[in-house]
Amino acid sequence: GQSLEQPSEVTAVEGAIVQINCTYQTSGFYGLSWYQQHDGGAPTFLSYNALDGLEETGRFSSFLSRSDSYGYLLLQELQMKDSASYFCAVRDRTGSNYQLIWGAGTKLIIKP
Amino acid sequence: DSGVTQTPKHLITATGQRVTLRCSPRSGDLSVYWYQQSLDQGLQFLIQYYNGEERAKGNILERFSAQQFPDLHSELNLSSLELGDSALYFCASSAGANSPLHFGNGTRLTVT
Repeated sequence: GQSLEQPSEVTAVEGAIVQINCTYQTSGFYGLSWYQQHDGGAPTFLSYNALDGLEETGRFSSFLSRSDSYGYLLLQELQMKDSASYFCAVRDRTGSNYQLIWGAGTKLIIKP
Repeated sequence: DSGVTQTPKHLITATGQRVTLRCSPRSGDLSVYWYQQSLDQGLQFLIQYYNGEERAKGNILERFSAQQFPDLHSELNLSSLELGDSALYFCASSAGANSPLHFGNGTRLTVT
């Protein structure tokens, strides 16, 4: 089957670094995306990894290891505004059809 | 602003009723996706359209239906509403199979 696993909740301190992990099981992996969603708001795209390695965008970085079916989102210099839910999503390809499979989300709680 | 417009923002209706949610994708995006998000839950994929044709179907109930029109806007129809249908309904659009999803601000449906 196809599945994604990510922790339901992570707590960190303002100014610190936090890593949110995502492991996946799919038949036709094509890429891993991360989205951020504040309470009551719309999900917004953060990053996309199709190849192994680290992608950096400001304070946020995303990593992928296809051999381990694993990725993570790294948030540095945490700010209170980073308190949100973070979703990993795998793009799965079967033939000419692409499907986006979503994790259940990780709620990031930041303490001052 | 994602460029995706959803109307209405809020909808309150009674059980057994029928409602229509509307979505205008970003200019140039051919794909439209519909998601349901219940309180403190993840994103449940309902259905995807690409240039007017149904491309993928998720856990969409038979009471729900959708379509994408020639001008690329989409409508999600929910009928015989039940209390459990109360949720945030998001529309997202993308330029292509590997492109990020851009979400609208959602329609909050409350069934009483």
